[in-house]
Amino acid sequence: SQQGEEDPQALSIQEGENATMNCSYKTSINNLQWYRQNSGRGLVHLILIRSNEREKHSGRLRVTLDTSKKSSSLLITASRAADTASYFCATPPSGSARQLTFGSGTQLTVLP
Amino acid sequence: EAEVAQSPRYKITEKSQAVAFWCDPISGHATLYWYRQILGQGPELLVQFQDESVVDDSQLPKDRFSAERLKGVDSTLKIQPAELGDSAMYLCASSPREDLYEQYFGPGTRLTVT
Repeated sequence: SQQGEEDPQALSIQEGENATMNCSYKTSINNLQWYRQNSGRGLVHLILIRSNEREKHSGRLRVTLDTSKKSSSLLITASRAADTASYFCATPPSGSARQLTFGSGTQLTVLP
Repeated sequence: EAEVAQSPRYKITEKSQAVAFWCDPISGHATLYWYRQILGQGPELLVQFQDESVVDDSQLPKDRFSAERLKGVDSTLKIQPAELGDSAMYLCASSPREDLYEQYFGPGTRLTVT
């Protein structure tokens, strides 16, 4: 079963614009992670935010976490064509031993 | 930079045949994961190893799937016999002993069963 669900399922923007995707999850977590997957490739870890953090930055990425709403958002600023990929949020399922449950992903297309 | 290696990258097989995938995690990573990813969906865990021991194989279809990590390093995932519904991307990931759960993924094996 999936713990996190991303929204929207697909997003198309112009190069230079900002992209925002959201993730909702069901149970309490101690951290939430975002991964990127280029077409036909493996996933790449982008950023991890702990449950006691509300916001985290990494380069052009900004992640927020609202544990009261059980939601997170990933903002990519000044998007580039190379940002075209699927983005997944991942959370440890309840009682897990070092596991992650992935959502269905947001397919981001950045048009040049 | 160290990477997770997987082979083959692509595999086409006929249904009822046997198929095997290999994964070599990042050196020193104790935890190894096999995932299956159907097109348009997120990865779903099949099996998790800690060193050479299986931690969780509750989602592994054990009538046809098997996985091993004999020396606690590289791992093999086998399907026998393959079915049409097994067509998917098979991803291997590893993580170090620390508790942050960040996982490092290999490039995957794209399986097509005909």
